[in-house]
Amino acid sequence: QVQLQESGPGLVKTSETLSLTCTVSFGSISGYYWSWIRQPPGKTLEWIGYVYDSRGTNYNPSLKSRVSISLDKSKSQFSLKLTSVTAADTAVYYCAVWRPGCFDPWGQGAPVTVSS
Amino acid sequence: SYELTQPPSVSVSPGQTARITCSGENLGNKYVSWYRQKPGQAPVLVVYEDTKRPSGVPERFSGSISGSEATLTISGTQAVDEGDYYCQAWDSDLTFGGGTKLTVL
Repeated sequence: QVQLQESGPGLVKTSETLSLTCTVSFGSISGYYWSWIRQPPGKTLEWIGYVYDSRGTNYNPSLKSRVSISLDKSKSQFSLKLTSVTAADTAVYYCAVWRPGCFDPWGQGAPVTVSS
Repeated sequence: SYELTQPPSVSVSPGQTARITCSGENLGNKYVSWYRQKPGQAPVLVVYEDTKRPSGVPERFSGSISGSEATLTISGTQAVDEGDYYCQAWDSDLTFGGGTKLTVL
C-alpha cells in the first residue's frame, strides 16, 4: 500500500510562495493522479489540484492562477506551489492519490500558517 | 461551481442506524465517495463509487444513491464511528460537502 508524507515550512509570510513536498513510499509513482487537498481550521476540505504522471495537471478553478503541481519521479515526490498567499491560505495541506473516483490513501497532513 | 449539501450534525444511540445525507444537482449521474475524519487525523475513505466499501472498512458502512441524494448508512453504530464525515463528488472538478459531525450518544 502506497504511503504518503508531506513536508515543508509550517509558516509562510503573506504574499510569498507556499511550497510543500509529498514523498511517496512503498509504491510506484507512475500511473497515478497525485493530488493536493487543503482544510482551513474548522472548515471543510478543498481540492487544490492534481498532476498525472508528468503528462498533465488539473487545478481547482478558484486557485488555478496561483497553483502549480509537479512530479519528480527520480525522487518519488510531487510538489505544490501556491503563490501570493494570504491568511485565507492558512490550512492543513494533505497530499493524496486520486484513483480516480476517490482519494485514497492520504498523507497525515501538514499544517501551514500564513502570517506577516 | 458544483455544491454538495450535508446536515451539520447527526446524533445516534449506540447500536442504532445512522444515516448521513449528501445532496447535489444531478448527483445520481456522478460517482460519490465518503470519508471519515477524526480530530487531528487525515480523512479515511469509507465508501467509493456510491456503494463500494474499501477493504478493511467494516460491513456496517454502506452507501446508496437515489436521484440527487446520496446516503451513507452506518448500521449498529459504535462509539468508534464518531467523527466528521464528508461526501465528495466527481464532476469536471472535485467537490467536497460541508461535512457532518456524527455523535454517538
